[in-house]
Amino acid sequence: DQQVKQNSPSLSVQEGRISILNCDYTNSMFDYFLWYKKYPAEGPTFLISISSIKDKNEDGRFTVFLNKSAKHLSLHIVPSQPGDSAVYFCAASVWGGATNKLIFGTGTLLAVQP
Amino acid sequence: SAVISQKPSRDICQRGTSLTIQCQVDSQVTMMFWYRQQPGQSLTLIATANQGSEATYESGFVIDKFPISRPNLTFSTLTVSNMSPEDSSIYLCSVKTSGRYEQYFGPGTRLTVT
Repeated sequence: DQQVKQNSPSLSVQEGRISILNCDYTNSMFDYFLWYKKYPAEGPTFLISISSIKDKNEDGRFTVFLNKSAKHLSLHIVPSQPGDSAVYFCAASVWGGATNKLIFGTGTLLAVQP
Repeated sequence: SAVISQKPSRDICQRGTSLTIQCQVDSQVTMMFWYRQQPGQSLTLIATANQGSEATYESGFVIDKFPISRPNLTFSTLTVSNMSPEDSSIYLCSVKTSGRYEQYFGPGTRLTVT
């Protein structure tokens, strides 16, 4: 039962253009959403997050949009740079016991072509 | 964010043996977690490492197979016991502070079981 889904395993974009990575979820109890970037042989790096009560959060070149009615979020990267080439994971927070835990999607491999 | 190190970075082990992975953080943190990323898969939470008490395991993971210790607020170990080839994965520790949603990850330990 995959509660967080990233249906595009890969995405290729030209340098300078917009990258849009998508994520769908099924659990309406998720209260926070996060995006991570992962390079090979490294741990995931936190990028940006959004509360379930917001619909947009922006940080530099990165913007996350949340559509609660559609249970969908997306990460926009503008402009895309070759250094953005990595696997991107979306994650959702849910409370269980005394703390929240993260449920991760399967990841999207972004390739930014020079 | 905290600086997190893991030892070993990678290992090749024989079936039936055990491996202990260490996670060290450069500052005291409230929560520590252990994840597994099987080849081509998402990150899956194994357990929450509780300081001074037994770890809290997720469904599908048991203490006999993945014993965890957390003797203080900066250190934790995960043991993968009686290994089989299906245990070949990247094992990651992560940390978070109270009141925050984002987790910060170590570089991971790549385990291959032959």
